[in-house]
Amino acid sequence: QKEVEQNSGPLSVPEGAIASLNCTYSDRVSQSFFWYRQYSGKSPELIMSIYSNGDKEDGRFTAQLNKASQYVSLLIRDSQPSDSATYLCAVVPYNTDKLIFGTGTRLQVFP
Amino acid sequence: DVKVTQSSRYLVKRTGEKVFLECVQDMDHENMFWYRQDPGLGLRLIYFSYDVKMKEKGDIPEGYSVSREKKERFSLILESASTNQTSMYLCASSQQGTGANVLTFGAGSRLTVL
Repeated sequence: QKEVEQNSGPLSVPEGAIASLNCTYSDRVSQSFFWYRQYSGKSPELIMSIYSNGDKEDGRFTAQLNKASQYVSLLIRDSQPSDSATYLCAVVPYNTDKLIFGTGTRLQVFP
Repeated sequence: DVKVTQSSRYLVKRTGEKVFLECVQDMDHENMFWYRQDPGLGLRLIYFSYDVKMKEKGDIPEGYSVSREKKERFSLILESASTNQTSMYLCASSQQGTGANVLTFGAGSRLTVL
């Protein structure tokens, strides 16, 4: 089992809809969780971090963490075509301080 | 406003050549990283450094070495390039402490080995 798993997509949603991106991880005691966004041909950039169970909101973005289920998600409300990108989930396992990245989910928002 | 600069955007090299990829950051970050990114495999850590003259192996260090003689500069070296090292190489930096996993990436260097 990969340490961080994401559906590669593409996930296609219409403009204005909620996009839901999911990520599961294998290390039960992972402590820190991150979402990076990568536009085509560009480098990744951090958009959200979450450390404790529950929801964390930042503008149109909400990160959700459920450590018991080893699951972290990213919701994008009122999706825009400019949100079309690959979203990378990253986890820091307990026994290391290195980020482990998933392979990313490609999101397409169509007008 | 460029904060992490990678010296070459595109490189084409021949098998067996020595390749240098340079990365410079102007944010006074302690931590620097080299990743490669391949379709279906995601971002994989090659080497990282938490201080000048310090280096640690990541998940896929074979065939690579690094150098960090100055805080702002972290170089990736392919001693003898092979075709399976054709990839996108991304340099990143971060602060120590609570910001250690907030990575700022460079624009990437796309290497093709023929």
